[in-house]
Amino acid sequence: SAVISQKPSRDICQRGTSLTIQCQVDSQVTMMFWYRQQPGQSLTLIATANQGSEATYESGFVIDKFPISRPNLTFSTLTVSNMSPEDSSIYLCSVLRRGTGNSYGYTFGSGTRLTVV
Amino acid sequence: AQSVTQLDSQVPVFEEAPVELRCNYSSSVSVYLFWYVQYPNQGLQLLLKYLSGSTLVKGINGFEAEFNKSQTSFHLRKPSVHISDTAEYFCAVSAANAGKSTFGDGTTLTVKP
Repeated sequence: SAVISQKPSRDICQRGTSLTIQCQVDSQVTMMFWYRQQPGQSLTLIATANQGSEATYESGFVIDKFPISRPNLTFSTLTVSNMSPEDSSIYLCSVLRRGTGNSYGYTFGSGTRLTVV
Repeated sequence: AQSVTQLDSQVPVFEEAPVELRCNYSSSVSVYLFWYVQYPNQGLQLLLKYLSGSTLVKGINGFEAEFNKSQTSFHLRKPSVHISDTAEYFCAVSAANAGKSTFGDGTTLTVKP
């Protein structure tokens, strides 16, 4: 399976500022995803990061708040813009490997724990 | 679109007892199904997955799950739990070979001595 390096692992930020989270994969992958996990809750998909085109956002998430870059097949960034305390969450990137047979599957980064004060 | 319902938000059990965590899904197309575990302050770890073939899937740490297409379920079971199994468990579904996953709300498994 793919190995993902996600940075930073945690951060405490002032409201009104922005934070960019990086996701580096050790091999080329077509599909990358960004999720949010609010305290004590499940994972909610923010967007699918497509290489060479704009990200596809889920209902309730907009590009102005969560701009995403995907410059190549091994790297993506998610920016949380104009932060408020409600943005305090864990943000995770994920990749899909469409291998043959039982190798198909998803790998998740270790997450970025964001606290907005 | 797909959706997932985890029927139990919390499951307390005693050590060495069997456990079943229930997951139902909804989809108009063929699906892949996954169970993940998340230990406190850690990332997601894949327990097992169903892609095709045998409906009984065996995973890590002694867990298994059975895919039931007629009942649209994918329940997770373990015959004898340990204290170390205390964690949050997530069921997830994706359209077969099509991309994004949808997660259930999670089940907190608490194993008591």
